[in-house]
Amino acid sequence: DAGVTQSPTHLIKTRGQQVTLRCSPKSGHDTVSWYQQALGQGPQFIFQYYEEEERQRGNFPDRFSGHQFPNYSSELNVNALLLGDSALYLCASSRPGGIYNEQFFGPGTRLTVL
Amino acid sequence: AQTVTQSQPEMSVQEAETVTLSCTYDTSESNYYLFWYKQPPSRQMILVIRQEAYKQQNATENRFSVNFQKAAKSFSLKISDSQLGDTAMYFCAFMKLTSGTYKYIFGTGTRLKVLA
Repeated sequence: DAGVTQSPTHLIKTRGQQVTLRCSPKSGHDTVSWYQQALGQGPQFIFQYYEEEERQRGNFPDRFSGHQFPNYSSELNVNALLLGDSALYLCASSRPGGIYNEQFFGPGTRLTVL
Repeated sequence: AQTVTQSQPEMSVQEAETVTLSCTYDTSESNYYLFWYKQPPSRQMILVIRQEAYKQQNATENRFSVNFQKAAKSFSLKISDSQLGDTAMYFCAFMKLTSGTYKYIFGTGTRLKVLA
């Protein structure tokens, strides 16, 4: 059973460009959350997708947007890249229902903005 | 808003010894969940242990146990018989379920190094 997968592994962009990161959730999971982890920091919640809709959002500007597809995979888009967007972007998936939702994390995409 | 504080940026422990990582949090909620995640140098975050706030009994998972003090809003992780493979970043996280949705709030992490 494949866990959460993310692509690409590494990405280098320049300021002002746009980037798309991709995530495939663990089998049987339908909820996908995205996090930004700056160097030496803990993950910061960006947003969460369920049933192809964004249902919760952290304190990130509108330059950060996302999408979830019918197969539950998800994309994170960042427009007008800034140097400060350089970070590890983590995707996490979870199953529906239950008393609590354990998140399973992917290996992340390392984005470097020059 | 909830906050999670890990006051120990780095710690080291000798192999086979015991180490305790600290975490405090701030919330006005009464029902929530707390977690410790491990992030090895390979980057993939792994759940170590979880604690439901409504449970008074401290959670244990093999060599990992927590000391959950709800009134003090403290949630420390004890690692017994430390192994070289325990070397990693450890993150404390808070989660609240609300109307079927949730989000995690993470601390800044503690870098643990197990010494041979």
